[in-house]
Amino acid sequence: DSGVTQTPKHLITATGQRVTLRCSPRSGDLSVYWYQQSLDQGLQFLIQYYNGEERAKGNILERFSAQQFPDLHSELNLSSLELGDSALYFCASSAFRGTNEKLFFGSGTQLSVL
Amino acid sequence: GENVEQHPSTLSVQEGDSAVIKCTYSDSASNYFPWYKQELGKGPQLIIDIRSNVGEKKDQRIAVTLNKTAKHFSLHITETQPEDSAVYFCAASRSGGSNYKLTFGKGTLLTVNP
Repeated sequence: DSGVTQTPKHLITATGQRVTLRCSPRSGDLSVYWYQQSLDQGLQFLIQYYNGEERAKGNILERFSAQQFPDLHSELNLSSLELGDSALYFCASSAFRGTNEKLFFGSGTQLSVL
Repeated sequence: GENVEQHPSTLSVQEGDSAVIKCTYSDSASNYFPWYKQELGKGPQLIIDIRSNVGEKKDQRIAVTLNKTAKHFSLHITETQPEDSAVYFCAASRSGGSNYKLTFGKGTLLTVNP
């Protein structure tokens, strides 16, 4: 068990809808990362938050947004969903601010857009 | 941006044999190279990492080697066991500055046959 909790484990929704994925980092970790995993694109970095502030941005679509709350949990919001958004979404946390070292991944949320 | 190529995409070995997975990276400024293991239904788990100031690192049956000049690094697993069967990902990243993106290879499915 990595100590990173993601909910829900599975999510099935329709095109055009909006969903929220939730992540609780390991105790004490201030950095939260979001990744998207698909068969064709592999693991793609979306966004990183550190102690409530956006730290780095990757290949995140404008339809997607995230935030990190004062209790350090994070949410990834996906809106106007398309079929191509179907993927496994991972949250990871680390104790570090400025590097990608020692990331601990959750078990992911499998999103299916029908 | 950084590009990480990983080979082979699948690898099948007999229990007790060694397995080698190779990765190349494009950004000469990358200085952190982790390897992750992903089992079915789980998130990636960090198994070993190496910084660019070190040429080799070993942890029990796992070792990673880095050739900065050639911009490639490899994962070596000796005395493989069935529980080593999983997808392995290499990754590369800079540390410092504003580019914190961890770029992953596409993964290698390792099967260890009893």
